[in-house]
Amino acid sequence: KAGVTQTPRYLIKTRGQQVTLSCSPISGHRSVSWYQQTPGQGLQFLFEYFSETQRNKGNFPGRFSGRQFSNSRSEMNVSTLELGDSALYLCASSPKDRVVFGNEQFFGPGTRLTVL
Amino acid sequence: AQRVTQPEKLLSVFKGAPVELKCNYSYSGSPELFWYVQYSRQRLQLLLRHISRESIKGFTADLNKGETSFHLKKPFAQEEDSAMYYCALHPGGATNKLIFGTGTLLAVQP
Repeated sequence: KAGVTQTPRYLIKTRGQQVTLSCSPISGHRSVSWYQQTPGQGLQFLFEYFSETQRNKGNFPGRFSGRQFSNSRSEMNVSTLELGDSALYLCASSPKDRVVFGNEQFFGPGTRLTVL
Repeated sequence: AQRVTQPEKLLSVFKGAPVELKCNYSYSGSPELFWYVQYSRQRLQLLLRHISRESIKGFTADLNKGETSFHLKKPFAQEEDSAMYYCALHPGGATNKLIFGTGTLLAVQP
């Protein structure tokens, strides 16, 4: 099976702009989670979707939003970009809706966002 | 509050030396803990989870509820073990959300 794919891989934006990142999970996976990865903070949970429903949201401002489509593909949007939003954004997919034995999360390569 | 702490940003050892990557957690309840690894230019991937109690690539991790720790150990480090290691906690319930530590970069010198 093809792995989790994320597009674009690299993005450069300026402050105040908005950006949309895309994540295609492994075929058959209905759960998608998003994380922000920075050198100082490690990975921080953004949100999680299962069957088009947002089930959890991390402690991020409302400028960060997301959605999931009927084919399980997910997008996240960041509006009014700030310098501090520069990070690697990772998505992960898994077949089940919760962490149980045998349910592994698979991570994508990430989208590197740079805000100037 | 649910939190994972990895006190070392960088751990440098020589090939053949023992390795211990520290992880402490804060969680009220029975935690489920994981170690993830990210090799250079590769994706983040699961290394091991405490519930399976297995050894992967020579690494083991034991959950110590008294000390709230889940340290990752390997008796003899190899150069190919050089990578970023993240400890993660599952907060329970119907979610795939994981709470990650800030990571430890393991550098194995020849």
